Amino acid sequence: KQEVTQIPAALSVPEGENLVLNCSFTDSAIYNLQWFRQDPGKGLTSLLLIQSSQREQTSGRLNASLDKSSGRSTLYIAASQPGDSATYLCAVSGNTDKLIFGTGTRLQVFP
Amino acid sequence: KAGVTQTPRYLIKTRGQQVTLSCSPISGHRSVSWYQQTPGQGLQFLFEYFSETQRNKGNFPGRFSGRQFSNSRSEMNVSTLELGDSALYLCASSLLGTSGNEQFFGPGTRLTVL
Repeated sequence: KQEVTQIPAALSVPEGENLVLNCSFTDSAIYNLQWFRQDPGKGLTSLLLIQSSQREQTSGRLNASLDKSSGRSTLYIAASQPGDSATYLCAVSGNTDKLIFGTGTRLQVFP
Repeated sequence: KAGVTQTPRYLIKTRGQQVTLSCSPISGHRSVSWYQQTPGQGLQFLFEYFSETQRNKGNFPGRFSGRQFSNSRSEMNVSTLELGDSALYLCASSLLGTSGNEQFFGPGTRLTVL
């Protein structure tokens, strides 16, 4: 059974810092991994999708990497801003045809 | 291109009642999935519909049901509501389904059961 873990559960950093969020999964037989952002009480915003054959994806200040064999993904946020404050979720899809979500990392960036 | 829309955004019901939630996917997307989000359990998969057929179902009781129409809009129904059904219900749309396709989520419906 696929299990997804995110570390740390919460993170508080000053504006301008570069930071790394971690996601690990137990079953390496995945089709893809997706990173989302969720603001309080809101839906999920897709940030990056990495297919199983890819090693990384970039969008603006965000870079996500995937190491399928070791069951790990990282989301790198460069030059963090207060507007980046949110909960970040990773999710994997495999042959069960559904997304399995991690518990999220709650990020606070203070001025 | 319009995003995924969900109606209503907020609902308050009492125990024993039933509720219907609606989701309109992105135009051209044929797959709609539903998830329940609670503080204790996180995000859990309910079911997925593709071309009006349920393709996959999560571990929820039969009180939770859904359907999809020919225009890909989907509805989710919960009967005999319980306090534990209070949650944020999210739907996601994709072109062909979860495997290999990016999922786009709606804003959610916040259900409160009193």
